[in-house]
Amino acid sequence: DAGVIQSPRHEVTEMGQEVTLRCKPISGHNSLFWYRQTMMRGLELLIYFNNNVPIDDSGMPEDRFSAKMPNASFSTLKIQPSEPRDSAVYFCASSLAQTANTGELFFGEGSRLTVL
Amino acid sequence: QQQVKQSPQSLIVQKGGISIINCAYENTAFDYFPWYQQFPGKGPALLIAIRPDVSEKKEGRFTISFNKSAKQFSLHIMDSQPGDSATYFCAASRGNDKIIFGKGTRLHILP
Repeated sequence: DAGVIQSPRHEVTEMGQEVTLRCKPISGHNSLFWYRQTMMRGLELLIYFNNNVPIDDSGMPEDRFSAKMPNASFSTLKIQPSEPRDSAVYFCASSLAQTANTGELFFGEGSRLTVL
Repeated sequence: QQQVKQSPQSLIVQKGGISIINCAYENTAFDYFPWYQQFPGKGPALLIAIRPDVSEKKEGRFTISFNKSAKQFSLHIMDSQPGDSATYFCAASRGNDKIIFGKGTRLHILP
């Protein structure tokens, strides 16, 4: 079975440019999560969706970040404009659970973003 | 109160030894404590999880010990192998809230 698929795997961009990260969750999963991983802050939850509806976006750092889930098989995380401090690995994860904690999270392989 | 504090930040263990990673939490309402394992270039994957109604859970060489009164839980890896070298994250959550992850422990097993 295909796991969570993220693209691109690597992105290098210049400050001020728009960045769009994409995620395809596991088919049948009804919850989708976006995490950011850095050495300093570890794994931070940015936002999660349940049945395509954003449930908790309190982790989104600022208005430059936005996320959408137009259907059950696709989600995007957009950063506009990007800044060097946004450099990190961004993970998408999905699960079968209705809530954020009652099921196993299946992570993608991540998108490594470098903003110069 | 929402934090999960993990230690050590990094750990080096000889092959065959016991690796121990510790976590502490403040929120007594947490009711689910998973551990995730992450290999370089990969996303984290669930390794083992425990709920506070038991004090220990064992799966193969991996054991979670849970001390509810001390608000601490730990991961023990028995007979550690080079293939266990990875980053390990403890986590906690309650009810419908999001999972809170520790900052991770980079484990290196010497061959």
